[in-house]
Amino acid sequence: NAGVTQTPKFQVLKTGQSMTLQCAQDMNHEYMSWYRQDPGMGLRLIHYSVGAGITDQGEVPNGYNVSRSTTEDFPLRLLSAAPSQTSVYFCASSLEGRGNTEAFFGQGTRLTVV
Amino acid sequence: DAKTTQPTSMDCAEGRAANLPCNHSTISGNEYVYWYRQIHSQGPQYIIHGLKNNETNEMASLIITEDRKSSTLILPHATLRDTAVYYCIDSLLGGYQKVTFGIGTKLQVIP
Repeated sequence: NAGVTQTPKFQVLKTGQSMTLQCAQDMNHEYMSWYRQDPGMGLRLIHYSVGAGITDQGEVPNGYNVSRSTTEDFPLRLLSAAPSQTSVYFCASSLEGRGNTEAFFGQGTRLTVV
Repeated sequence: DAKTTQPTSMDCAEGRAANLPCNHSTISGNEYVYWYRQIHSQGPQYIIHGLKNNETNEMASLIITEDRKSSTLILPHATLRDTAVYYCIDSLLGGYQKVTFGIGTKLQVIP
């Protein structure tokens, strides 16, 4: 049981390049989400999904797109990378959303945009 | 902005109990209190949660005041491996997906 798997672990992009951060979970969790973590800022929610085919914006969605075509996968797309998107990105999943279940986090993707 | 308030940092001697406080000034009746921790730069790890009763598991104990405006996470015998950033959050009805983690408390366990 792998839990939440994020790839890649490290990435360097040039300004204007695009890329997709991958997130997969094998726990059949309905809820998945993406956070970014910057020094002194805690974790901020980018986008989330309550099930396949359903996504919504979080606190800092600009510059990012998501889709949820399957229960297992929730990729995060940077369409045109900017230095302000240099951050550590975490994906999380949970079984349901009634406030009584824990979230599982991946190990993070460290992205640098130069 | 995070809905909870925590001290920025705390120290604890190895082998002693670590008591981490959290204020939940805007918590509503249907929200649970959750605690997570983040070791180094790994992904956050769930510790414990509760609604209004005190809770205990193999990792920690959680004390929630009667008015639910504050909670305390207790690590009964802190070890060096407990050095981490600890986050308390109020889980909104509908799940974590709309939750923002604050900057948490940096706990340093001292040998």
